Amino acid sequence: AQSVTQLGSHVSVSEGALVLLRCNYSSSVPPYLFWYVQYPNQGLQLLLKYTSAATLVKGINGFEAEFKKSETSFHLTKPSAHMSDAAEYFCAVSEGTGNQFYFGTGTSLTVIP
Amino acid sequence: GAVVSQHPSRVICKSGTSVKIECRSLDFQATTMFWYRQFPKQSLMLMATSNEGSKATYEQGVEKDKFLINHASLTLSTLTVTSAHPEDSSFYICSASESRSDSPLHFGNGTRLTVT
Repeated sequence: AQSVTQLGSHVSVSEGALVLLRCNYSSSVPPYLFWYVQYPNQGLQLLLKYTSAATLVKGINGFEAEFKKSETSFHLTKPSAHMSDAAEYFCAVSEGTGNQFYFGTGTSLTVIP
Repeated sequence: GAVVSQHPSRVICKSGTSVKIECRSLDFQATTMFWYRQFPKQSLMLMATSNEGSKATYEQGVEKDKFLINHASLTLSTLTVTSAHPEDSSFYICSASESRSDSPLHFGNGTRLTVT
């Protein structure tokens, strides 16, 4: 069985500060891991994905995430927050078979000017 | 990149009427599409998995007779909310994936349904 836990439903950072959004997963097989961003009244946009290649994955908009098997984590980071980063972020896991995805409960990021 | 188009983006209907939402994969074939419902400030709730040419698989608690799903081609799935009621008002999102096992889900932009 798979599950995703996002610690912190709300995160606030100052503009220019480090962004850290946490994601832990459970999976019985090597997982595929994804981060998505959702702006108000829109669908989800893929930020980045981990699919068993490099453990440090770079995505769009300056975001990156590191897969740590020992910690079963896939935290999302960005060195310097921008006002446009304010959105809802979802971590997702898939085992690949049948493409069933499991989503975390989401983290709302607020960027303070 | 892979694009999923969802229409309409917003719809307002009267209680008792039916509403159809379309989800199209524009530049890839999607044998499987997923329909989600999202309540304000909450995560995605998977409603059903739609497979081309076969009946959809509904999640527990989702009424298949109320939420009719048709996946007649490799690029089109539709969700019809039948006899809509105000409690059906929500944000509905479709997604599709390519056939590769490591393919991400590609999402439509969602449909905001308001039932008056």
